[in-house]
Amino acid sequence: EIQLVESGGGLVQPGGSLRLSCAASGFTFSDHYMDWVRQAPGKGLEWIARARTKVNNYDTEYAASVKGRFTVSRDDSQNSLFLQMNRLKTDDTAIYYCTRRRNWSWTFDSWGQGTLVTVSS
Amino acid sequence: DIQLTQSPSFLSASVGDRVTITCRASQGITKYLAWYQQKPGKVPKVLIYDISTLESGVPSRFSGSGSGTEFTLTISSLQPEDFATYYCQQLNNYPLTFGGGTKVEIK
Repeated sequence: EIQLVESGGGLVQPGGSLRLSCAASGFTFSDHYMDWVRQAPGKGLEWIARARTKVNNYDTEYAASVKGRFTVSRDDSQNSLFLQMNRLKTDDTAIYYCTRRRNWSWTFDSWGQGTLVTVSS
Repeated sequence: DIQLTQSPSFLSASVGDRVTITCRASQGITKYLAWYQQKPGKVPKVLIYDISTLESGVPSRFSGSGSGTEFTLTISSLQPEDFATYYCQQLNNYPLTFGGGTKVEIK
């Protein structure tokens, strides 16, 4: 069974930093692109970051809203995905989901339960 | 960036109704468009991928169609468990984008 378990969320002041983790199991983590998607309270879904595989040089992509502030990384030896979030803003308050991109259809076929990040003074 | 505009943003329907949700893209999408369902307090679940392919385990009352810049999700006969919010997503170009969502509620 595929499992994605996020951790690291919490309350942080504007301008602060937080590091999210996603522990993956039940599939060959190193074979899959992994993404972060967030959802502000009562709002829709927003894709924010992608980590490609080793074959693709671990290249990354970001949404404009987080580029330069957030850094996505992965550790295939630990089956883990990370999101380092710096210079946090109140607008970053959201549930952050770790997702897996299925290789043969590019769809986000597995989602974690999410971790809540609240940016507030 | 490819903007996705869903319509309607809200709809009220009865059990047994045929429901159609539209997703319009600001640029053409060749293949990689998906539809997700999200129930309150739950994570999104993929229903349709590659515009019209039904995800394994999803009931056949769900279908997807379209091409270019206009796509639709149809529920042929709405069931009580279908009341949820639906999102389209394009995976063709970066940044990947979602539509704003369509909330389907019970009339």
